[in-house]
Amino acid sequence: QITLKESGPTLVKPTQTLTLTCIFSGFSLSTSGVGVGWIRQPPGKALEWLALIYWDDDKRYSPSLKSRLTITKDTSKNQVVLIMTNMDPVDTATYFCAHSGGYCSGGRCFNPWGQGTLVTVSS
Amino acid sequence: QSALTQPPSASGSPGQSVTISCTGTSSDVGGYNYVSWYQQHPGKAPKLMIYEVTKRPSGVPDRFSGSKSGNTASLTVSGLQADDEADYYCSSYAGSNRGVFGGGTKLTVL
Repeated sequence: QITLKESGPTLVKPTQTLTLTCIFSGFSLSTSGVGVGWIRQPPGKALEWLALIYWDDDKRYSPSLKSRLTITKDTSKNQVVLIMTNMDPVDTATYFCAHSGGYCSGGRCFNPWGQGTLVTVSS
Repeated sequence: QSALTQPPSASGSPGQSVTISCTGTSSDVGGYNYVSWYQQHPGKAPKLMIYEVTKRPSGVPDRFSGSKSGNTASLTVSGLQADDEADYYCSSYAGSNRGVFGGGTKLTVL
């Protein structure tokens, strides 16, 4: 059974850097075709694709947020970290990490998802 | 890459069928057979319902089906049930190992 869980601060101040960690189990991020992605959802709004890291350390970012995002993995710890710089109140959202493998190999979809973590940006 | 276009709302009575559209471009929906659909109940994480345009993960009822024509994909929910009331999001591979989501559709079971 594949599970993922996000962790990180619930409140950050404007201009600060956000660091989120995704801890997963039930799969290996060293398996060909597998990836872990990050998606966010502002309150009451739509999902937004942020970033995805693949088993071979290929990293892909949303073009609109690329300058602010860094995604890394620690295969031995079954962890993926997302860093977002220069946080703004508009970045207030629930941040999800999700598995991309099996049905969804190659970043074609996400299954399953973590429960998400709400991050509020406010001074 | 711009978000895919979905109608903000859709509705149907129990037992009826409802179809939700998802319009993109030749760079995403029209260019690849990698459209997926997600169901999200309030306060919950999205759940994969359809992948590769028409395929259902194990455990998803066959009342859910997907299709695509040109730059528009569709999700059809047949035999509507109360628990189908949720938000539905489409997503597509958009090249360069990236993806894009739609704006979401709120499905109401009347």
